[in-house]
Amino acid sequence: GAVVSQHPSRVICKSGTSVKIECRSLDFQATTMFWYRQFPKQSLMLMATSNEGSKATYEQGVEKDKFLINHASLTLSTLTVTSAHPEDSSFYICSARAPTSGRAYEQYFGPGTRLTVT
Amino acid sequence: GDSVTQMEGPVTLSEEAFLTINCTYTATGYPSLFWYVQYPGEGLQLLLKATKADDKGSNKGFEATYRKETTSFHLEKGSVQVSDSAVYFCALRSPQGGSEKLVFGKGTKLTVNP
Repeated sequence: GAVVSQHPSRVICKSGTSVKIECRSLDFQATTMFWYRQFPKQSLMLMATSNEGSKATYEQGVEKDKFLINHASLTLSTLTVTSAHPEDSSFYICSARAPTSGRAYEQYFGPGTRLTVT
Repeated sequence: GDSVTQMEGPVTLSEEAFLTINCTYTATGYPSLFWYVQYPGEGLQLLLKATKADDKGSNKGFEATYRKETTSFHLEKGSVQVSDSAVYFCALRSPQGGSEKLVFGKGTKLTVNP
């Protein structure tokens, strides 16, 4: 249980175009999903928290207009990188919050999406 | 702000060797501490966790003890296997303000040779 998928796994786009990454919870409903970015040999950095039916909460320094997040259903959140530039090339990882027992919960992670902007 | 520092890899061991990956943290209050593992081509998986001082998390032969006095959460395994080859991330979740935010270390790549 608690499987999270991401699509695509890899994407190459040209500078100036936009690219959409999907994050799905396959066997549970997730009211909250998270988007992370990982640079080579660096830790995962939280970009934003995505709540179903409401606006995402962005971390300090993350451009809201550049990284558009939509959490339209309980099983799907999307991250759109608008007007992508080479410096946006990175590994993007999503996670979904799921209850474990009682009031406890954990984050379950997707396999990540490698974005390369040429 | 909160931060996690873990030993940099890569770490290469022979099968059945003892493993230690060091992790220390800086946080306000009493965070929950985690170790995640990422196998090649897969997402991060929770390996073990501890939510209060002196708690020991354990799973699949791995252990880590929450040491508040040294602000550490070192990962250990007595006898590693080839299948343990992966990237290991130490992380904390702060209790401040009801935040669910996870703060990760940079990850340590482990390779176990037969």
